[in-house]
Amino acid sequence: NAGVTQTPKFRVLKTGQSMTLLCAQDMNHEYMYWYRQDPGMGLRLIHYSVGEGTTAKGEVPDGYNVSRLKKQNFLLGLESAAPSQTSVYFCASSRSGFNTEAFFGQGTRLTVV
Amino acid sequence: GEDVEQSLFLSVREGDSSVINCTYTDSSSTYLYWYKQEPGAGLQLLTYIFSNMDMKQDQRLTVLLNKKDKHLSLRIADTQTGDSAIYFCAEISGGYNKLIFGAGTRLAVHP
Repeated sequence: NAGVTQTPKFRVLKTGQSMTLLCAQDMNHEYMYWYRQDPGMGLRLIHYSVGEGTTAKGEVPDGYNVSRLKKQNFLLGLESAAPSQTSVYFCASSRSGFNTEAFFGQGTRLTVV
Repeated sequence: GEDVEQSLFLSVREGDSSVINCTYTDSSSTYLYWYKQEPGAGLQLLTYIFSNMDMKQDQRLTVLLNKKDKHLSLRIADTQTGDSAIYFCAEISGGYNKLIFGAGTRLAVHP
């Protein structure tokens, strides 16, 4: 009964380092999303995907790249981490569009020093 | 642009009712949602209301929607310590076809 699984759960990066966050869902959902959550702000959409092999920019895409090579996985990459990317990152998936229930992972807390 | 506003903090006594308020700006919103986030966890859909409804009740939860004032509220009856969490209001933005979240209201329940 996994749902949406994110790895890793915590990470500390130095400025300029790169990393990839992995999101996996086992519900055969078409849509997948990456959000970031910052104190005092709502979740902001970074990138999303409407199906395998597709990606699209959200509200705050700069500094991030994504890939959806397999339907069940959605990867978020930071090529050159900056302190402004310190945040909690959430992956979510939904059966179809934004008006269907989104299921969230537990989050990845990333600190860039 | 779209915006969703919530107060950041609410403290209630166990057994009392909690009312969490939200205002939104996109009058073309079709669905409005309440998500709950418990400590260290992701968001979980609590309830939602379609824009042609005024009220929706689900056990201890009551959602009220005032479309004229673009105001949404979530009432939790008989609030328990297990209800302590952050509650996010969200709307589907008609123009951008995306989900816009408020900053979240932290509900603290004390004895």
